[in-house]
Amino acid sequence: QKEVEQNSGPLSVPEGAIASLNCTYSDRGSQSFFWYRQYSGKSPELIMFIYSNGDKEDGRFTAQLNKASQYVSLLIRDSQPSDSATYLCAAFTKFNKFYFGSGTKLNVKP
Amino acid sequence: GAVVSQHPSWVICKSGTSVKIECRSLDFQATTMFWYRQFPKQSLMLMATSNEGSKATYEQGVEKDKFLINHASLTLSTLTVTSAHPEDSSFYICSARELISNQPQHFGDGTRLSIL
Repeated sequence: QKEVEQNSGPLSVPEGAIASLNCTYSDRGSQSFFWYRQYSGKSPELIMFIYSNGDKEDGRFTAQLNKASQYVSLLIRDSQPSDSATYLCAAFTKFNKFYFGSGTKLNVKP
Repeated sequence: GAVVSQHPSWVICKSGTSVKIECRSLDFQATTMFWYRQFPKQSLMLMATSNEGSKATYEQGVEKDKFLINHASLTLSTLTVTSAHPEDSSFYICSARELISNQPQHFGDGTRLSIL
């Protein structure tokens, strides 16, 4: 079992819709969670991080964390074609280890 | 803040050459730096983790004598690909983070290495 699992996609949504990206993690002791966006041929860039149960909003992005279910999600409201990229979920564990998921490819169709 | 600079961004060289890639944290002290490799359309693959002043920890299957990592200061880590061959051609990405708990990794822009 991988430490962090994501559906590889692709996830296709129409422009203006809400894109929902999901991630599960196996280490219940994981402390913090990060979402990165990676455009093709580029390195990942940090979008959001979340430590506490519940929702955290930043502009069009909302990260959601449910520690009981070991589930993290990223919602992108009013999706734009420029949001088309691979989204990586990462977990930081109590053993000071980072684990990345394999990423979900998002296509936002004009 | 939290800028990581990686240099060079693109290298093309002949087989057998050694190539050095630098990774610098510009506005924070990076107690830990990571080196990744990514092949086209594949996931990030962690190669090694380095902590300032100590030897790097390599992931299983990564040859430490092939990929030499030095993390001599809190702002600089280097990856040297020794005697590079065409199969070493890939996208190499570094990242860095502060020691403070729960801090994210910040990525450099990556180095595209092509060995002829």
